[in-house]
Amino acid sequence: NAGVTQTPKFRILKIGQSMTLQCAQDMNHNYMYWYRQDPGMGLKLIYYSVGAGITDKGEVPNGYNVSRSTTEDFPLRLELAAPSQTSVYFCASSYSTGGPEGTIYFGEGSWLTVV
Amino acid sequence: DAKTTQPPSMDCAEGRAANLPCNHSTISGNEYVYWYRQIHSQGPQYIIHGLKNNETNEMASLIITEDRKSSTLILPHATLRDTAVYYCIVRPDYGQNFVFGPGTRLSVLP
Repeated sequence: NAGVTQTPKFRILKIGQSMTLQCAQDMNHNYMYWYRQDPGMGLKLIYYSVGAGITDKGEVPNGYNVSRSTTEDFPLRLELAAPSQTSVYFCASSYSTGGPEGTIYFGEGSWLTVV
Repeated sequence: DAKTTQPPSMDCAEGRAANLPCNHSTISGNEYVYWYRQIHSQGPQYIIHGLKNNETNEMASLIITEDRKSSTLILPHATLRDTAVYYCIVRPDYGQNFVFGPGTRLSVLP
């Protein structure tokens, strides 16, 4: 049981390049999330998904896209990378969004630098 | 969303109990209190959560006041590896966002 797995762990992008951060979970969770964390700051929600085929914007969605074709996978796409997207990205998942089973489990993070 | 207030930093001697307070005075009836920690920019690690009753697991204990307006996370025997930022979060009742504030930076000192 690996939990939430993110790849790559580190990446350097040039301005204007695009890339996809991969995220997979093996806990059969319905809900998946992408957060970013800037240095010294809290986590901010980028996008989330309530199930395969359903996604919605979070607090800071601009410059990103997501898809959810399967329950297990939730990739985050960065189009036309900008220096402001330099951050640590965390993927997460949960069985529910509230109640006793609302615990969110996080991956180990993907460090992205845009130069 | 209910908001939380935590002290920005705390120190604790190794081997002693670490008591981390959190105020959540606007919490509503069905909202759970969650605690996570983040060690040196690793992924946030779930510690414990509760609704009304005190809770204990292998990592920590959670004490919630009767009026639910505040809680305390207790690490019974802090070690150097417990040095981290600790986040107290009120989970919106079936809401999508888990709001992370600045948390408390706990330093366990030898």
